[in-house]
Amino acid sequence: SQQGEEDPQALSIQEGENATMNCSYKTSINNLQWYRQNSGRGLVHLILIRSNEREKHSGRLRVTLDTSKKSSSLLITASRAADTASYFCATDDSSYKLIFGSGTRLLVRP
Amino acid sequence: SQTIHQWPATLVQPVGSPLSLECTVEGTSNPNLYWYRQAAGRGLQLLFYSVGIGQISSEVPQNLSASRPQDRQFILSSKKLLLSDSGFYLCAWSVRAPNEQFFGPGTRLTVL
Repeated sequence: SQQGEEDPQALSIQEGENATMNCSYKTSINNLQWYRQNSGRGLVHLILIRSNEREKHSGRLRVTLDTSKKSSSLLITASRAADTASYFCATDDSSYKLIFGSGTRLLVRP
Repeated sequence: SQTIHQWPATLVQPVGSPLSLECTVEGTSNPNLYWYRQAAGRGLQLLFYSVGIGQISSEVPQNLSASRPQDRQFILSSKKLLLSDSGFYLCAWSVRAPNEQFFGPGTRLTVL
């Protein structure tokens, strides 16, 4: 099964609202990453949070990490129609691999 | 700056035909290279990864194989395609740490 599981699977919001996506994982990690994928395209790295960090910001993105609960959240503030995409979390356990979750499909309605 | 190329962008192949997908990276040396497959509306399944020339690790036993003949070239192959091989194939590269991965544009493979 996937290491990371996103919740919800799909999210529909109005432009200007905030979008929150959650990710749970099962084993110890070195870092956790969030990626974005527009339909039919490759993934784009958004933000990385290390296991010793609790919160990180990048523009309109805010990521939190709770290693005791093995969970992370991605908050997109003041959403725009262009934020419509699928968002994936991925965990790095210091091997050569990233383990991706199944993703959250975000629809931002104009 | 670094760039990653994949080709072809789309491919339609009959069952039983061979496959060769190519991925090349520019602007970096000795990258880790990865092949993923993504079914429609799903997450990514890691197929192969490589930490150096000629070094291939397989994650999922199947009729696919991978090769890395040059430092920045990664090839995904099959001798005989199955219907279940249809999907979106993504190549990615990273440096060892912190393993932030950079993805190519993908190849949409349809096996008929």
